[in-house]
Amino acid sequence: DAGVIQSPRHEVTEMGQEVTLRCKPISGHDYLFWYRQTMMRGLELLIYFNNNVPIDDSGMPEDRFSAKMPNASFSTLKIQPSEPRDSAVYFCASRLPSGGGNEQFFGPGTRLTVL
Amino acid sequence: QKEVEQDPGPLSVPEGAIVSLNCTYSNSAFQYFMWYRQYSRKGPELLMYTYSSGNKEDGRFTAQVDKSSKYISLFIRDSQPSDSATYLCAMKHSGNTPLVFGKGTRLSVIA
Repeated sequence: DAGVIQSPRHEVTEMGQEVTLRCKPISGHDYLFWYRQTMMRGLELLIYFNNNVPIDDSGMPEDRFSAKMPNASFSTLKIQPSEPRDSAVYFCASRLPSGGGNEQFFGPGTRLTVL
Repeated sequence: QKEVEQDPGPLSVPEGAIVSLNCTYSNSAFQYFMWYRQYSRKGPELLMYTYSSGNKEDGRFTAQVDKSSKYISLFIRDSQPSDSATYLCAMKHSGNTPLVFGKGTRLSVIA
């Protein structure tokens, strides 16, 4: 398996633009997590899904952020409009169903810079 | 107070040293404890996993959990330059809940 796949790997955009980050989880994993990592705040959970259904989005910073999982093999995180304080590395992670293991497998991340 | 506290370092040690990394936490409901290793510009990868209290050893790495003190540790023996990375502790209540991460400690092992 190729592991968790994220695209793009790097994104540079201007303030006010829409940004869409994409994630393909490992096949057979039914949990999917979106994290944001900064030096100041570390790794923060934004939202997670189970069987394509959002379970907890309390970590989403504000209404400018939205996430979807239309099927088991694809998820998006959208920021509209983007702001400079959104600059961070965004990670997607997936996990086997409960009872199948506790390890979360992380993708390589998308490094977002908002100018 | 954050749920999980971890000294961000950086920590610099000579090759061959014993390294001790630590986290404290406030939520006594945590039962699953993990250490992730993150190399520069990569995603975190699971290094060690422990359920409840006790020790676990894997090669040069030992993970310890003291639930009475709400304190977990990772020891690295005979540290190598290839161990240079950021180490993040993580923990959760039960099988279905998401992990709560510490901010990570940046470690440099100097040859």
